Amino acid sequence: DVVMTQSPLSLPVTLGQPASISCRSSQSLVYSDGNTYLNWFQQRPGQSPRRLIYKVSNRDSGVPDRFSGSGSGTDFTLKISRVEAEDVGVYYCMQGTHWLWTFGQGTKVEIK
Amino acid sequence: QVQLVQSGAEVKKPGASVKVSCKASGYTFTSYGISWVRQAPGQGLEWMGWISAYNGNTNYAQKLQGRVTMTTDTSTSTAYMELRSLRSDDTAVYYCARDTQQQLVPDDDAFDIWGQGTMVTVSS
Repeated sequence: DVVMTQSPLSLPVTLGQPASISCRSSQSLVYSDGNTYLNWFQQRPGQSPRRLIYKVSNRDSGVPDRFSGSGSGTDFTLKISRVEAEDVGVYYCMQGTHWLWTFGQGTKVEIK
Repeated sequence: QVQLVQSGAEVKKPGASVKVSCKASGYTFTSYGISWVRQAPGQGLEWMGWISAYNGNTNYAQKLQGRVTMTTDTSTSTAYMELRSLRSDDTAVYYCARDTQQQLVPDDDAFDIWGQGTMVTVSS
């Protein structure tokens, strides 16, 4: 199985400041069709996960533009340009290229 | 609107079985599959398996093979996940999520819609 490794696992941030989460995969996530199926999810306390980003950098409908995804191959990053109070929660990367799908361990974002 | 609505919380004794339902609405059920994901208290997300709502093909996580069965009822657009021989470490919130229709073929819409979760508690 593809192992997804996130860092850091805990990220205290100041309101209005940027935040960045790294996700590395144990093998390339480029699929045979040329696309890279790397997703990012946000899970607020007590809620279901919500997909924010698909195929590395595509924002889902309704996701604020302060969230952005980047990367290629095995190295990916989720950035929040200016953290707001509603961004508190756990963020997960997930690969959808290689069967079986696998998640990262999660990064807990909290306000300092 | 597009949504997945799951059945309510369950409390089971060790060794028993549980069956969780996930009713889809707002989209063509058979054009997608359903994955099941669980989350133990305070822990991360664990993918359990997938079923195609188109043809019923399944694929389960190796650690659950033999204890889990996923099915669908296309007449009611409902997916089911049954877990048998429950243990205390099966205590978790169980989620369904929309996924790809075909095994091994990624989909842009995969995991874009999640159910609200079903808490399953295994305790004697």
